[in-house]
Amino acid sequence: GAGVSQSPSNKVTEKGKDVELRCDPISGHTALYWYRQRLGQGLEFLIYFQGNSAPDKSGLPSDRFSAERTGESVSTLTIQRTQQEDSAVYLCASSVPKTGPSYEQYFGPGTRLTVT
Amino acid sequence: GQQLNQSPQSMFIQEGEDVSMNCTSSSIFNTWLWYKQDPGEGPVLLIALYKAGELTSNGRLTAQFGITRKDSFLNISASIPSDVGIYFCAGRDADNFNKFYFGSGTKLNVKP
Repeated sequence: GAGVSQSPSNKVTEKGKDVELRCDPISGHTALYWYRQRLGQGLEFLIYFQGNSAPDKSGLPSDRFSAERTGESVSTLTIQRTQQEDSAVYLCASSVPKTGPSYEQYFGPGTRLTVT
Repeated sequence: GQQLNQSPQSMFIQEGEDVSMNCTSSSIFNTWLWYKQDPGEGPVLLIALYKAGELTSNGRLTAQFGITRKDSFLNISASIPSDVGIYFCAGRDADNFNKFYFGSGTKLNVKP
C-alpha cells in the first residue's frame, strides 16, 4: 500500500493479557515512531527507530512496554500484563530522515486498544 | 517534563470566519509542526516551521514560529466546513532530536 498501515484497527483485551500491535511503514522509510493517544489528548512519544541504530526508548512508560523492528520494515509494539490505563489509540508514523531526524512523519490510522 | 499548552481546547465558528489557535511550551523547541486529525485517522502534517520568527503559509493556513522559540500560532482564514477536525501543535525538543511533544489539540467546529 501507499501509506502506513497498522493492525489490528481495534483490539479489546482483558486486564492482565499481553497484546501485540503491528505497524507496516511506508516502503523506504528508515525512521519509525510509536505514539500513544489517550482520549481527548495529544500524542505521547513512546519509541523511535532509525535504521540499524539503537532505538530511542525514552518514552516507554514502563517495562511492560517493548517494541521491535525488523530491519527497516515492520515494527511490533508489545504490551505485557495490560492495565486499564493502557487503553488508548496507538499510532505509528514513518519518515525519511534528512539532515538529522525527520520531521515529516506520515501516520497510520492507529490501533484502538481497550482493556476491560 | 516538557509542558506544551495548546489553546483554545475547542472552537465553534461560522463558515467564512477566521480562526486562530496557539501553543506555548515550557522550554525551547527547534521545530514547530501543525497537524490536523480527522476521526479514526492519524494526524496529517499541515505546516512545518524551523526558524524563530518564521512565518509560513499553506493555502488558507498561516503559522508562525515565535521569536522566543517557546510558542507558535496557526491561523485559518475564511473557514469552510471541511476544516472541521482536531488541530495539534507539536514541537521538537532542542535537547533530544528524536522527540516530538504534542499539544492536547484544538477541536474546530464550523457551522455552514
